[in-house]
Formats: sequence, structure tokens, C-alpha cells
Amino acid sequence: AQKITQTQPGMFVQEKEAVTLDCTYDTSDPSYGLFWYKQPSSGEMIFLIYQGSYDQQNATEGRYSLNFQKARKSANLVISASQLGDSAMYFCAMREGGTGGFKTIFGAGTRLFVKA
Amino acid sequence: GAVVSQHPSRVICKSGTSVKIECRSLDFQATTMFWYRQFPKQSLMLMATSNEGSKATYEQGVEKDKFLINHASLTLSTLTVTSAHPEDSSFYICSAGAGPGQETQYFGPGTRLLVL
Repeated sequence: AQKITQTQPGMFVQEKEAVTLDCTYDTSDPSYGLFWYKQPSSGEMIFLIYQGSYDQQNATEGRYSLNFQKARKSANLVISASQLGDSAMYFCAMREGGTGGFKTIFGAGTRLFVKA
Repeated sequence: GAVVSQHPSRVICKSGTSVKIECRSLDFQATTMFWYRQFPKQSLMLMATSNEGSKATYEQGVEKDKFLINHASLTLSTLTVTSAHPEDSSFYICSAGAGPGQETQYFGPGTRLLVL
């Protein structure tokens, strides 16, 4: 069974600083995808970044980068130059391909607070 | 980018009534849609996978007779909460698969259900 673990219920970061949100995963499927989503108080799920299991390089999207450590099964999200608007819930998610049917499983989430 | 809509955005109903939530992919066809439920301060829990033209696949512990899913077209899936009770009050989010292998998911804005 696949599993996503986010061990940080809450994180604080000073505005303009970088922050790392942890995520580990467990799967026996060699083909999978890892996602990070942001969920502000409005509830919408905002896609941030994607990393495929066969991707050789770490994914980057603007201020977001994914530190993919395949052997350790970790996919930490790094947010550089934090902004007040980054305060939200952040979910790590994994999707298995093929037999997984592309369904996505989410971690418990980390609430990020950006301080001015 | 691809857009997924949900209707209604919020609904309040009396205990014992049924509520239908619609999920539409606005500018792409989605053979697969997913329904999630999110309780306050918790993560998204996958309820079921909705397949166009066939029966939905429910996750373990989700009552298929309670949560009726109909995916009648490539752009519309509906979730009906039958005989709703206060414990069904939650945030319901759908997502639609896009891309050649339906590997990318786009999330709807969610529906807040309150059962009195």
C-alpha cells in the first residue's frame, strides 16, 4: 500500500527566508509521480510542482523546488524567498501509475506560517 | 490551464435529505474523475474514482449506496450524498484527469456541505 508522510504539522518562517517542508513516501511501484499542492483558507487546491519517479533532475517551478531523494524516498518542497501569501496548508501527494489507476493519495499536510 | 468547476460551492441541508454535487471539466474531456472528502484541519481522503460510462470504484470504507457517483459524460461527474446526516458535513473536492494518460489532475474549487 502506498503511503505519504508529512511529519511537520506546522512550520514558521520569516518573510524572505527559505523553508523546507518534509515529505516521505512509500511505494513498491517503480513508476510514480510526486506532487505538492497549496491549499489556502479558501479551500482550493493549487498545484505547485511535480516530480516523476524517472526524472533525473529535481523539479523547479519559480520559487518552488523539489528535493527528490529517490533512495531515501523523500520529496521535500523548498520555498525560497517566502512571502506572506505563502501562508497556507501544503500537501504532498503521490500517484502511482498503471495499476494505481492514477489516483492520488495525500499526506496529512503542513501548515506554513510566514511571519513579517 | 485546464479548469474544473463544482456546483454548488456550498450547501446547507436538513438531515435526511439528499444532496447532489456536480463536477465539470470545462475545457477538456475527462474519462476519469476523483472525489475526495476533507474534514476540517485534515487531509484529503480519496472516496472514489469515477469512470465515464462505467461504475465508480470506491475506496475501502466508503459506502457506495450512501455516496452515489454518476459519470454520464466526459465532462460531468456527480456525487449524490443520500440521506445526509450531520457527520456527512465536510468539504468535497473533485478532480479530473487530463493528458494522454489522464496523468495530470486538475482540482475543482470544492463544495462545503453542512447537514443540520
